[in-house]
Amino acid sequence: NAGVTQTPKFRVLKTGQSMTLLCAQDMNHEYMYWYRQDPGMGLRLIHYSVGEGTTAKGEVPDGYNVSRLKKQNFLLGLESAAPSQTSVYFCASSSSTGSRDGYTFGSGTRLTVV
Amino acid sequence: ILNVEQSPQSLHVQEGDSTNFTCSFPSSNFYALHWYRWETAKSPEALFVMTLNGDEKKKGRISATLNTKEGYSYLYIKGSQPEDSATYLCAVGTASKLTFGTGTRLQVTL
Repeated sequence: NAGVTQTPKFRVLKTGQSMTLLCAQDMNHEYMYWYRQDPGMGLRLIHYSVGEGTTAKGEVPDGYNVSRLKKQNFLLGLESAAPSQTSVYFCASSSSTGSRDGYTFGSGTRLTVV
Repeated sequence: ILNVEQSPQSLHVQEGDSTNFTCSFPSSNFYALHWYRWETAKSPEALFVMTLNGDEKKKGRISATLNTKEGYSYLYIKGSQPEDSATYLCAVGTASKLTFGTGTRLQVTL
């Protein structure tokens, strides 16, 4: 049982480059989330999805786009990376009861933008 | 954006000590509160999900209480062990999303 899988685990980008982070879950969860974690800031919500084909903005959405074309996958895109986007990114998912159910987190993607 | 505050920021206890942390949040429009345990180099793991005022949850030596009227939750660890060393996150939210606090970092030494 893989749970939530994030790829890649590490990446170094140059300013202005683009990339996509992939999150895949095999638990048939409806809700999926992208968070970023920075020192002293805790986990901050970037975007989330309440079901296939839906997306919504979180607390810090600027500079990111997302897509949820398939229920099991939630993609996070950076169109033009900036050093301020250096962070650890975590994907999470939860069942159809949303916040009434504990989140399952992926192992994180460490992104450095130089 | 909800304001979720956790205290203390960090804590250092001896093996066998009992300890507790606090999570404070706005009491209006409460929906759910989560506690997570986050070990270094791993991902957060859910400990408890609490939804009702007066809820008490227990898992082994760890327990939590919830007071939605005054806007706080306590996490207790009885007889701390070195393997309890981790950051403990609190999160509060609506039906569709959570806001996380910055966590309490616990270190348990022999």
